[in-house]
Amino acid sequence: GNSVTQMEGPVTLSEEAFLTINCTYTATGYPSLFWYVQYPGEGLQLLLKATKADDKGSNKGFEATYRKETTSFHLEKGSVQVSDSAVYFCALRAYSGAGSYQLTFGKGTKLSVIP
Amino acid sequence: DGGITQSPKYLFRKEGQNVTLSCEQNLNHDAMYWYRQDPGQGLRLIYYSQIVNDFQKGDIAEGYSVSREKKESFPLTVTSAQKNPTAFYLCASSAGTAQETQYFGPGTRLLVL
Repeated sequence: GNSVTQMEGPVTLSEEAFLTINCTYTATGYPSLFWYVQYPGEGLQLLLKATKADDKGSNKGFEATYRKETTSFHLEKGSVQVSDSAVYFCALRAYSGAGSYQLTFGKGTKLSVIP
Repeated sequence: DGGITQSPKYLFRKEGQNVTLSCEQNLNHDAMYWYRQDPGQGLRLIYYSQIVNDFQKGDIAEGYSVSREKKESFPLTVTSAQKNPTAFYLCASSAGTAQETQYFGPGTRLLVL
């Protein structure tokens, strides 16, 4: 079956530090890959996505590149801010049969940025 | 503004009681989903619906039921058969299951008294 593994948190960084959150996946076929962000007490928001190998998704200074050869989709940001404190979820979308596609999520990584 | 609304924000359930969580969307999306989120866990799919009057079980459907009588509404009932209902419940929608992006509501936190 499909699965997503992301680095365990929590991750604590100082403001303006470099961020990497690792994500690897297992899937049949050619999944699309996503990063979602969840701020405290809220639902999930799409942060970025990539639909095929070597695509780079980017948004709000965050980037991730779809690496088929290493089955990875690591999230990076060059300089984090306090407002980036949240839980980040890596996810894949793959065909699940009967004409439907489903999202499979990692367990989430909590990021805390301190001033 | 288009979006997904969930109510209530907090819900309390007594032993043996069924409770219903509301999810409404005005995005004109065909597909809707219910997920359960537990601390330190990713999201797990409970039920999904691709069109009105049709829905399918997800990975953890036992103890839950849904209906899809209107395109914009997909209520979730947590029945007394669900022995561990305390969790954060998220509703999502997409233009169709073949479409890439799911949009999420703000969630309902269910607690057991």
